[in-house]
Amino acid sequence: GAVVSQHPSRVICKSGTSVKIECRSLDFQATTMFWYRQFPKKSLMLMATSNEGSKATYEQGVEKDKFLINHASLTLSTLTVTSAHPEDSSFYICSARDLLAGRGTQYFGPGTRLLVL
Amino acid sequence: AQKVTQAQTEISVVEKEDVTLDCVYETRDTTYYLFWYKQPPSGELVFLIRRNSFDEQNEISGRYSWNFQKSTSSFNFTITASQVVDSAVYFCALSPPPNFGNEKLTFGTGTRLTIIP
Repeated sequence: GAVVSQHPSRVICKSGTSVKIECRSLDFQATTMFWYRQFPKKSLMLMATSNEGSKATYEQGVEKDKFLINHASLTLSTLTVTSAHPEDSSFYICSARDLLAGRGTQYFGPGTRLLVL
Repeated sequence: AQKVTQAQTEISVVEKEDVTLDCVYETRDTTYYLFWYKQPPSGELVFLIRRNSFDEQNEISGRYSWNFQKSTSSFNFTITASQVVDSAVYFCALSPPPNFGNEKLTFGTGTRLTIIP
């Protein structure tokens, strides 16, 4: 149980294009999902908290117009990196919290490696 | 504010040796959760354990054991008889008690563990 998937696992795009990353909870419902960014050999940096049916809450310094988050259902949240630039290249990881079981635990997806050329 | 300190940036041990990863935390909450996650080279974060602040019992799971000491605000992780597959980055994390499900995780900077065959 408590499986979270992400798609795509790896994406290369040209500067200026937009990239959408999907995060799905496969066997549980998640009213809240989280999006993190991780630079090489660094810890995870929380970007935003995604709430089903409402607007995402962004951390300080994260541009909400650049990183669009949509939590359309209890099992799906998407992160869209708009007009991507090379400095957006990073490892993006989502997590979801199973409210029914292990309520305090966040389960993480496998991550998406984004490379912007 | 919450803070997690993993003072050991990198550790290398020879296979079959025991190794302890340190984690020290700071929080003003009287109730909180502590976590350990493993991040192998593939990138995904694997949940290892969650500990409630009111439960100071140590836990053992196979070769893994955790020592939670509230008096010193520490939550250390020991791997006995280490194996090459244990090579990964290990993160300690802290969160407030579950309330509405959007509680954030505060991560330490991680400890890179290398098991030498």
